Amino acid sequence: SQQGEEDPQALSIQEGENATMNCSYKTSINNLQWYRQNSGRGLVHLILIRSNEREKHSGRLRVTLDTSKKSSSLLITASRAADTASYFCATDDMNTGFQKLVFGTGTRLLVSP
Amino acid sequence: NAGVMQNPRHLVRRRGQEARLRCSPMKGHSHVYWYRQLPEEGLKFMVYLQKENIIDESGMPKERFSAEFPKEGPSILRIQQVVRGDSAAYFCASSLTNTVNTEAFFGQGTRLTVV
Repeated sequence: SQQGEEDPQALSIQEGENATMNCSYKTSINNLQWYRQNSGRGLVHLILIRSNEREKHSGRLRVTLDTSKKSSSLLITASRAADTASYFCATDDMNTGFQKLVFGTGTRLLVSP
Repeated sequence: NAGVMQNPRHLVRRRGQEARLRCSPMKGHSHVYWYRQLPEEGLKFMVYLQKENIIDESGMPKERFSAEFPKEGPSILRIQQVVRGDSAAYFCASSLTNTVNTEAFFGQGTRLTVV
């Protein structure tokens, strides 16, 4: 099964609201990354959080990592219609190294004006 | 500095034909990774290559699929005798190094449709 599982699978909110997505994984990791994918497009790297970090910020994004629970969350504050996309978490595997990123199934976010 | 370039963006092949997908990594990057994304799913690792070497191909189907990254030119993912189940988006990523905590940059993908 997938290493990363995102929750919820789909999220629909209004502009200005906050959006929170969660990701769970199974193995020990060096880092966890979040990516955004607009419909039919490529992946855009959002943020990388290392296993020894607990929280990281980038603009309107806030990522947390709890290695004891093997979970991460992505918070988008003050959402905009342009944030509408699918969001994926991806982990490496400490045993096999960086090159084999394992992606979750994604959260589809819809932000309505 | 151009990003990871993949071509073609869209490719339509009839069952039994060959598909060749190309990926030019970011300038200075010698590590290339191929992933496949089926509809409504996340990306799945296929193969990791460095210049002229396949490092890890554990995610690649044993038959009909091959990948190369020659000394000169782009990385190529080749799918022979395509079947409908090969229809997917194929993404290439590159990185400067393969050490942990190194960011991978993804291309726009090639969407393969087998008819």
